[in-house]
Amino acid sequence: RKEVEQDPGPFNVPEGATVAFNCTYSNSASQSFFWYRQDCRKEPKLLMSVYSSGNEDGRFTAQLNRASQYISLLIRDSKLSDSATYLCVVNEILTGGGNKLTFGTGTQLKVEL
Amino acid sequence: DADVTQTPRNRITKTGKRIMLECSQTKGHDRMYWYRQDPGLGLRLIYYSFDVKDINKGEISDGYSVSRQAQAKFSLSLESAIPNQTALYFCATGAKNIQYFGAGTRLSVL
Repeated sequence: RKEVEQDPGPFNVPEGATVAFNCTYSNSASQSFFWYRQDCRKEPKLLMSVYSSGNEDGRFTAQLNRASQYISLLIRDSKLSDSATYLCVVNEILTGGGNKLTFGTGTQLKVEL
Repeated sequence: DADVTQTPRNRITKTGKRIMLECSQTKGHDRMYWYRQDPGLGLRLIYYSFDVKDINKGEISDGYSVSRQAQAKFSLSLESAIPNQTALYFCATGAKNIQYFGAGTRLSVL
């Protein structure tokens, strides 16, 4: 089983639609969670952190369910500029200090006119 | 100017050649990382360093070596490149849980 699993997509949605991505992780000791965005042939960039209480940043809402080891990202009112690959990222604290990020393979979103 | 700079951005080399990818950062972070990205496999960690005297292997370190020359510099070497090392390579720096990536080096080994 992969440490972080995502549906690769692509998700093709019309502009204005609401779309949701899911992610599961295998290590119950994982400490913190993130969504990164990666545009084609570019570097990943942090989109938002994910908290158990849920957090919102404009049109984006992220949610964490620790019991189910499940993370979600909801995008409302999709824009053409939202087209990208969304990476689910899990952080573990390493023995002796430091941390390790594990990246999912990403979910591709294509927003169309 | 970018906070994390990778050179070269693109490189084509032949099997058996030694190649070095360089990374420098201006963010002042102690932690630096090298990843490779392949289609369908996502980002995989090659090596990481938490300070100048600290080097750690990631999940796919075979065939690679690194050098942390200074806090701001972390280079990745392929001693004898092979075709399955063709990939997109990213350097990243980190503070606590967040990582900031360079623009990537696209490497092709023929």
